[in-house]
Amino acid sequence: ETGVTQSPTHLIKTRGQQVTLRCSSQSGHNTVSWYQQALGQGPQFIFQYYREEENGRGNFPPRFSGLQFPNYSSELNVNALELDDSALYLCASSLGQGGNTIYFGEGSWLTVV
Amino acid sequence: AQSVTQLGSHVSVSEGALVLLRCNYSSSVPPYLFWYVQYPNQGLQLLLKYTTGATLVKGINGFEAEFKKSETSFHLTKPSAHMSDAAEYFCAVRYSGGSNYKLTFGKGTLLTVNP
Repeated sequence: ETGVTQSPTHLIKTRGQQVTLRCSSQSGHNTVSWYQQALGQGPQFIFQYYREEENGRGNFPPRFSGLQFPNYSSELNVNALELDDSALYLCASSLGQGGNTIYFGEGSWLTVV
Repeated sequence: AQSVTQLGSHVSVSEGALVLLRCNYSSSVPPYLFWYVQYPNQGLQLLLKYTTGATLVKGINGFEAEFKKSETSFHLTKPSAHMSDAAEYFCAVRYSGGSNYKLTFGKGTLLTVNP
């Protein structure tokens, strides 16, 4: 039990639609990052938020966007869904930008049809 | 740029045998290194990490890993495999400096444990 909760756990969307995934970080953790894990692959970094500001981004297009709220919870938004967006989306939280104890949630499984 | 190579996408051992999962990294600055385990249909669980100090790191469930700078390796070991160890294992690296604190993961090693 990491204290990082994500919702929804599973969802199916149609190509071209938009999706919002949510994450509650572990209590006291002010840094949230998001990862995409395609089937059979390791997680790929999407972006990180620290104190409500994006402070790092991976090689993902602008249709992947996010928010962090004052209570440090976070959202990942993906617009214009493509079939290749089908993946497990993982949220991770840590304390401080350089926190080395990084806890992951159970993930949200997104299927795009 | 940082990268991680996990040698062997699938490792199979007998129950009670030694577990050795290999990880090599490249990083232009001193790295922070991590091992995570992922059970089917679950998220990632932190097994252990190396940041600074002692190069032999002990983690949960009897796993340990040794940071060898000269070999750029961080192999994961467990003396005696248990059936419950069957899972996917990911090695990850992170820069120890800069403002982007992303984890870079390897492709994973699936561990199966035979009775």
